[in-house]
Amino acid sequence: EPEVTQTPSHQVTQMGQEVILRCVPISNHLYFYWYRQILGQKVEFLVSFYNNEISEKSEIFDDQFSVERPDGSNFTLKIRSTKLEDSAMYFCASSDQVGTGTGELFFGEGSRLTVL
Amino acid sequence: AQSVAQPEDQVNVAEGNPLTVKCTYSVSGNPYLFWYVQYPNRGLQFLLKYITGDNLVKGSYGFEAEFNKSQTSFHLKKPSALVSDSALYFCAVRVPNAGNMLTFGGGTRLMVKP
Repeated sequence: EPEVTQTPSHQVTQMGQEVILRCVPISNHLYFYWYRQILGQKVEFLVSFYNNEISEKSEIFDDQFSVERPDGSNFTLKIRSTKLEDSAMYFCASSDQVGTGTGELFFGEGSRLTVL
Repeated sequence: AQSVAQPEDQVNVAEGNPLTVKCTYSVSGNPYLFWYVQYPNRGLQFLLKYITGDNLVKGSYGFEAEFNKSQTSFHLKKPSALVSDSALYFCAVRVPNAGNMLTFGGGTRLMVKP
């Protein structure tokens, strides 16, 4: 069964450093997302991406964050200058039917980011 | 704005007993509703969704959920719980033509005891 894959599974970084989290969505999907889950808290929407541009973003997704689809398969989340409060599990997701609103999202296993 | 509430942080049930995990939503418009499950140190796995039609929808692993428009609820149910059902369950909502993101509830931890 096709799946969303994410790397790295865990990254530890120093505050102020740049981090890039990588995702390979399911190959025929067209809509891509990043969510995050701070330990013990709810899953929060960060950004959605379609047709090579951001379609929605939350207030969490400030200027420190950016997303890119550098080639036909990868979808990346960059945090320019990490803060302690960026420590969380980051989930990538993809979907093929958002145009109708009916499609479920398929999530990766997550990348745990720890900022020291 | 759309929101989802899961009023119980944790639900405890004995194996073999029926289980219910509650979800209520607040949206303007007709929602699309989803349930996801998260096992420890794993991503979210899709269980089932309500789009339209029959209010009772069936999903993976024997789970089902009932859409109740008048009570704005979408409770997750299973007739006979298994220990392996123990996990974190998330309800989520999307409003058609109001963006393409899913909004998640806070999650409910289900503990099934042998």
